[in-house]
Amino acid sequence: GAVVSQHPSWVICKSGTSVKIECRSLDFQATTMFWYRQFPKQSLMLMATSNEGSKATYEQGVEKDKFLINHASLTLSTLTVTSAHPEDSSFYICSAQTGGGVYEQYFGPGTRLTVT
Amino acid sequence: SQQGEEDPQALSIQEGENATMNCSYKTSINNLQWYRQNSGRGLVHLILIRSNEREKHSGRLRVTLDTSKKSSSLLITASRAADTASYFCATATSGGYNKLIFGAGTRLAVHP
Repeated sequence: GAVVSQHPSWVICKSGTSVKIECRSLDFQATTMFWYRQFPKQSLMLMATSNEGSKATYEQGVEKDKFLINHASLTLSTLTVTSAHPEDSSFYICSAQTGGGVYEQYFGPGTRLTVT
Repeated sequence: SQQGEEDPQALSIQEGENATMNCSYKTSINNLQWYRQNSGRGLVHLILIRSNEREKHSGRLRVTLDTSKKSSSLLITASRAADTASYFCATATSGGYNKLIFGAGTRLAVHP
């Protein structure tokens, strides 16, 4: 089956620093990837849609200058949390979508970000 | 933004019992999907039901979809302790790529 990986699986950073999270589709090409965040005991909230070779589309209320998304290739999308603050601490999950009219999504294992 | 609500928010049952979770949504959809998430882990895709389908089965799972009521239900029969997890419905809106909007989720606890 299709596998999506995320790196790192967890990261602790200091307030004011930037953190990059990678999302890779390991055995398929994904023209579209999605980024979600999840607070403890809450649901997944879609942050943005990442399209290979073009700018990401952000959901309402998500700061595009704070959450930089780059979909550089058909197998890699990155999310950079810039100038992180403690309130950015969350579980970040990506998903990658197959193409060819099937449009199935496969989710990565998530990245736990803690900002101190 | 979230599509809708899931009911109940939490469910506690004994092994062997059936568990039913409900999901409501607000807009027209292309399909509805159910996912499971163990604590602090990623999502596991359980089942997808298209807007023109009314019922779907997969092993111990049964999903129904009522587009007139904009609601779906997930039934897990003969539950096991290993079924303990959070369950989310997610809707893909009509047209274009499948942007998924997740419901609030149901936390299921199955006691041995």
